[in-house]
Amino acid sequence: DTEVTQTPKHLVMGMTNKKSLKCEQHMGHRAMYWYKQKAKKPPELMFVYSYEKLSINESVPSRFSPECPNSSLLNLHLHALQPEDSALYLCASSQVVDSLNTEAFFGQGTRLTVV
Amino acid sequence: KQEVTQIPAALSVPEGENLVLNCSFTDSAIYNLQWFRQDPGKGLTSLLLIQSSQREQTSGRLNASLDKSSGRSTLYIAASQPGDSATYLCAKGNAGNMLTFGGGTRLMVKP
Repeated sequence: DTEVTQTPKHLVMGMTNKKSLKCEQHMGHRAMYWYKQKAKKPPELMFVYSYEKLSINESVPSRFSPECPNSSLLNLHLHALQPEDSALYLCASSQVVDSLNTEAFFGQGTRLTVV
Repeated sequence: KQEVTQIPAALSVPEGENLVLNCSFTDSAIYNLQWFRQDPGKGLTSLLLIQSSQREQTSGRLNASLDKSSGRSTLYIAASQPGDSATYLCAKGNAGNMLTFGGGTRLMVKP
């Protein structure tokens, strides 16, 4: 099983709402990632979790708050977003960080629209 | 700043053709190079991973090569099919397994 599952698939939220994106994997991977992809652009890294601890934050605004409750789950809490935050949010996982053989597996993404 | 560049940005070929997608990157401090496929509005599907110590990897009709000294990788697709139509992304793996993506090549294979 090489599946990374993201929910919901689509989300529309107002600028004053609070919502969460969820990501789950059962491959025993200990590294999990959030990427953001704007239309017709490549994905850009937001956060890296290694062994359930935040290891990299790519200067992401605080209105995005990641959480890793356990080794299989990764959440992204959203609050007071702006319309320009509308994008496809992708979750990924890999065996470990800093290994030559760390193939990354991605979920199908959550299409977020902020109105 | 690390950069990953893919050419061409778009490619349209008739079914059955063999084709080559190109990926170039700056900074030779590379852990691995990964090729992905992305269908419109969907997530990324991993196609091939080449470790920095390897020269190439093969999976079915796909073959990817890596030349660290020149900062280049190529994805070769043999006997292309309409089902191969998608955007192909290369990604350079760095320390911390941070992936830096190229802009992608949009491939259309016409029946």
